[in-house]
Amino acid sequence: DQQVKQNSPSLSVQEGRISILNCDYTNSMFDYFLWYKKYPAEGPTFLISISSIKDKNEDGRFTVFLNKSAKHLSLHIVPSQPGDSAVYFCAAGPNFGNEKLTFGTGTRLTIIP
Amino acid sequence: EPEVTQTPSHQVTQMGQEVILRCVPISNHLYFYWYRQILGQKVEFLVSFYNNEISEKSEIFDDQFSVERPDGSNFTLKIRSTKLEDSAMYFCASNNRDRNNEQFFGPGTRLTVL
Repeated sequence: DQQVKQNSPSLSVQEGRISILNCDYTNSMFDYFLWYKKYPAEGPTFLISISSIKDKNEDGRFTVFLNKSAKHLSLHIVPSQPGDSAVYFCAAGPNFGNEKLTFGTGTRLTIIP
Repeated sequence: EPEVTQTPSHQVTQMGQEVILRCVPISNHLYFYWYRQILGQKVEFLVSFYNNEISEKSEIFDDQFSVERPDGSNFTLKIRSTKLEDSAMYFCASNNRDRNNEQFFGPGTRLTVL
């Protein structure tokens, strides 16, 4: 039951360029989306979120885009830095104040110096 | 900056034994969660807890699992009789369901069942 999918298990990007991570979802009840970053042996760290009433949210180098009709969201990181190398998880919840986050399988981003 | 802490970082146990995983959520948070990640798989929701009771649980969270907030700071996950397939990273999280709805995660406990 893959309600949240990240179809690219890995992505390599040159330092300074844009990294684009993609996420698709199937459950139309999802109303709130988050991106988490995870280093080995650490817990997920929140990066940025977006509610379904918006189509874009920006925080520094990170921008999340939501296309609700396509049930697709993406995370843009620009410019990419070596410290951005990590596994990125997309997560979704049914509404603001949700109980349960449903995670994707993650995309391993490697930034090449 | 306040953070969620978890102990132990690694727990090795024999199949059939009971384990208790401990978490100290961020002090002013009211909502607590447990997730797990089996090696190579995605992070999966187990249970959420608010006002001293379970508010939601997944199919994974069967009768072998229980949670407790024994005092004002700790939040524990107990597995009564561990199975090999319980081997995973277990993450505790907490939040206040404010504007970002961000759940703050601890560093995890790696449970290995032999």
